[in-house]
Amino acid sequence: DTAVSQTPKYLVTQMGNDKSIKCEQNLGHDTMYWYKQDSKKFLKIMFSYNNKELIINETVPNRFSPKSPDKAHLNLHINSLELGDSAVYFCASSQAQDLAGHGYTFGSGTRLTVV
Amino acid sequence: AQKVTQAQTEISVVEKEDVTLDCVYETRDTTYYLFWYKQPPSGELVFLIRRNSFDEQNEISGRYSWNFQKSTSSFNFTITASQVVDSAVYFCALRRKGGKLIFGQGTELSVKP
Repeated sequence: DTAVSQTPKYLVTQMGNDKSIKCEQNLGHDTMYWYKQDSKKFLKIMFSYNNKELIINETVPNRFSPKSPDKAHLNLHINSLELGDSAVYFCASSQAQDLAGHGYTFGSGTRLTVV
Repeated sequence: AQKVTQAQTEISVVEKEDVTLDCVYETRDTTYYLFWYKQPPSGELVFLIRRNSFDEQNEISGRYSWNFQKSTSSFNFTITASQVVDSAVYFCALRRKGGKLIFGQGTELSVKP
């Protein structure tokens, strides 16, 4: 069983389109995240949800809208895609009250290419 | 503010050489956690190690070892007798208690046969 699964793995789309990436975790974690990895490999947090509530929004354009129907799912919808949105998007999960300070469990990533 | 710096962008070694990846962090917290992740060419992020701020013991796992020094705010990673399969991008990361995971810029390691 995959702990954090993202779909699709690859996504190629034209500028101006709207697309969604789905993420599901079966670890029982209460917090989920979206990270963006740019062409220089830099990983930056975009959003964090705790029990379906948005807790981190890192100055991401409002064309990006995360949606969490329940604590096991965090989807990312992107409107009016631009060339600069091309990147690898990683979903991750963790336990918020994580006294042991464990790291996050990451999905395998979604490579988005905007043409 | 929290920050992680991996000054080495790319490192190239020949198989069987030892290699050390540097990581320097900044934080005002007294409780925090440090991590190393590996990203092989296939793209996934693989967890390697976690260390909390109260545990400065060095750790060895096979050919991998980690040196945590609070005095210099460093958490360096050494691969002994490197192999081609070690070729990957390695990320150091920092997390305050209950906070978000912040990554360094990554070091791309290339091990040539």
